[in-house]
Amino acid sequence: AQKVTQAQTEISVVEKEDVTLDCVYETRDTTYYLFWYKQPPSGELVFLIRRNSFDEQNEISGRYSWNFQKSTSSFNFTITASQVVDSAVYFCALSEGYAGNMLTFGGGTRLMVKP
Amino acid sequence: DAGVTQSPTHLIKTRGQQVTLRCSPISGHKSVSWYQQVLGQGPQFIFQYYEKEERGRGNFPDRFSARQFPNYSSELNVNALLLGDSALYLCASSWAGVAGYNEQFFGPGTRLTVL
Repeated sequence: AQKVTQAQTEISVVEKEDVTLDCVYETRDTTYYLFWYKQPPSGELVFLIRRNSFDEQNEISGRYSWNFQKSTSSFNFTITASQVVDSAVYFCALSEGYAGNMLTFGGGTRLMVKP
Repeated sequence: DAGVTQSPTHLIKTRGQQVTLRCSPISGHKSVSWYQQVLGQGPQFIFQYYEKEERGRGNFPDRFSARQFPNYSSELNVNALLLGDSALYLCASSWAGVAGYNEQFFGPGTRLTVL
C-alpha cells in the first residue's frame, strides 16, 4: 500500500531563513508521481510541483527547489530566503500508475515564517 | 479561465441528516475526484469519476456516494451524517484519468459542520 510521511508537523523560522520540508514515501509501483501542494489559511490546495518516478533531476523554481532521491524514497522541498507569505501548510502527495490517479497525502507540515 | 468551483462554501447540518455537495471542474477537464480533510490532517481520497464512471473509491462507508453528470460536474452525497463527518470536502479536477501529466487542481472546498 502507498504511504506518505511528513515527519515535521510544524516548523517556525524567521524571515529570510532557508527551510527544508521533508517527505518520505512508500510504494510498490515502479511508475508513480510525487507532488507538493500548498494550503494557505483559505483552505484551497495550490499545486506546486509534480515529479515522475523516472525523473530524478532536481528542480528549482525561483525560491523553491525540490530534491528527489529514489534511493531514500524522499522528495524534499526547500524554500530559500523564506517570506511571511510562505506561511501555510504544505502537503506532499503520491499517485501510483499515473498522475491523474488518486492522491495519497502526507499529514502536512505547517510552516510559520515570522517577520 | 475559471478554476474548480464548489458549492456551498459552508454548511451546518445535524446528526442523521443528509447533505449534497457540488463541484464544477475546470473547463475541458473530464475527471473529478473528492477528498475529505479532517482538521489537522491531510486530505483522504473518497471517489474519482471519469466520463461519468466511477474509477476509484477510497475507504469510506456506503453512506458516501457520488455521481458525475454529462457536463462533468459532480455531486457528493453523504447520508445519515455523523459528528465525525465534519470536515473540509475538497473537489479536484484533472484533464483525464489516464496516463500522462494530469495533475489534479483543487477547488476551495466545502466546510461541513455536523452538530
